[in-house]
Amino acid sequence: DIVMTQNPLSLSVTPGQPASISCKSSQSLLHSDGKTYLYWYLQKPGQSPQLLIYEVSDRFSGVPDRFSGSGSGTDFTLKISRVEAEDVGVYYCMQSIQFPFTFGPGTKVDIK
Amino acid sequence: EVQLVESGGGLVQPGGSLRLSCAASGFTFNNYWMSWVRQAPGKGLECVATIKQDGNEKYYMDSVKGRFTISRDNAKDSLFLQMNSLRAEDTAVYYCVPVPPGHWGQGTMVTVSS
Repeated sequence: DIVMTQNPLSLSVTPGQPASISCKSSQSLLHSDGKTYLYWYLQKPGQSPQLLIYEVSDRFSGVPDRFSGSGSGTDFTLKISRVEAEDVGVYYCMQSIQFPFTFGPGTKVDIK
Repeated sequence: EVQLVESGGGLVQPGGSLRLSCAASGFTFNNYWMSWVRQAPGKGLECVATIKQDGNEKYYMDSVKGRFTISRDNAKDSLFLQMNSLRAEDTAVYYCVPVPPGHWGQGTMVTVSS
């Protein structure tokens, strides 16, 4: 199985300041079809996960443009340009190039 | 609007069985691989089982192989998970999701305890 790791595992951010989360995979997520199957999710307290970013850098419908994704191969980053109070929760990266698709351990983000 | 409504969870004794169901709407169900993803209390996300559009390919995480069976009914836009020989470590919220998981339902809670 592909192992996903994330750093840091927790992050405390001042509102209005940027935040960045790293995700690494044990194998390349670049498919022969040219797409890279890396996704980012946010699970707010008491809620189901919600998709933020698909295929490394595309924002899902309704996701604010303060969220951005980048990376390639095995190294990826989620950036929040200016953290807001509503951004608290646990962020997960996920790969779907290979079954079973696997998630990172999660990065808990809270507000200072 | 995409909707995924999971049902069938509950309290069951170790060694018991449960059948989870998922009613999907708002998208073309038979165009998507579908999966069950679970989340144990206070823990992360695990993909338990995945099934191809026509039901002819299925994948399972190692710890549930031989105990869980995923199936689907495309005529009824429904996904199922038959869970046998349940263990305490299967306790979790179970989500039904399309692959890749763009939309999530509220999940159904499975508690395995005596």
